Amino acid sequence: EIVLTQSPATLSLSPGERATLSCRASQSVSTSLAWYQHKPGQAPRLLISDASNRATGIPARFSGSGSGTDFTLTISSLEPEDFAVYYCQQRHSWWTFGQGTKVEIK
Amino acid sequence: EAQLSESGGGLVQPGGSLRLSCAASEFTFSSFGMAWVRQAPGRGLEFVSAISAGGENTYYADSVKGRFTISRDNSKNILYLQMNTLRAADTALYYCAKESGRTKPFDYWGQGTLVTVSS
Repeated sequence: EIVLTQSPATLSLSPGERATLSCRASQSVSTSLAWYQHKPGQAPRLLISDASNRATGIPARFSGSGSGTDFTLTISSLEPEDFAVYYCQQRHSWWTFGQGTKVEIK
Repeated sequence: EAQLSESGGGLVQPGGSLRLSCAASEFTFSSFGMAWVRQAPGRGLEFVSAISAGGENTYYADSVKGRFTISRDNSKNILYLQMNTLRAADTALYYCAKESGRTKPFDYWGQGTLVTVSS
């Protein structure tokens, strides 16, 4: 089973700041890596597919990079609505989610 | 835009059964793989089960294998999850999710249905 490890667990930032979230896979997933945003009481929202492709309607401040085992989600300038939990997920072999990174208001 | 709506959750005693349903609309249901993903209280997202577009292939997390059965009715656009021998550890919000393509991520999710296993 491919394990995804996200870091940090919590990121405390202010609106306007840059957020950098990491996801590391226990073995290569090529670029079969997605990022989701999840807010309480809402359905998870797909942000990034195939490591770097923004999903439909996702603002340009969200970007993804990486391949193999190391991936990054960057939010270039945090908006108030971006404070949420972010999950990475691999679809290279079976389905696995990371444990999540909470982006909270500092 | 695709719409997914789960139902069937509730309170059940340990060892009991529940059947979850997910009604799909606004997309060609029979063309896409579907899945159930759950979130236990205070925990992250966990894959539960998936089914191929035609229903011929099914997949289960080890934690539910042998107890849960995923199925679909492509004539009615409904996804199911039959959950038997429920345990306290199965308590969670259960989401249905649509795959965006083979080996692709989930592009649409429902709002979830809550399953509570408790005596």
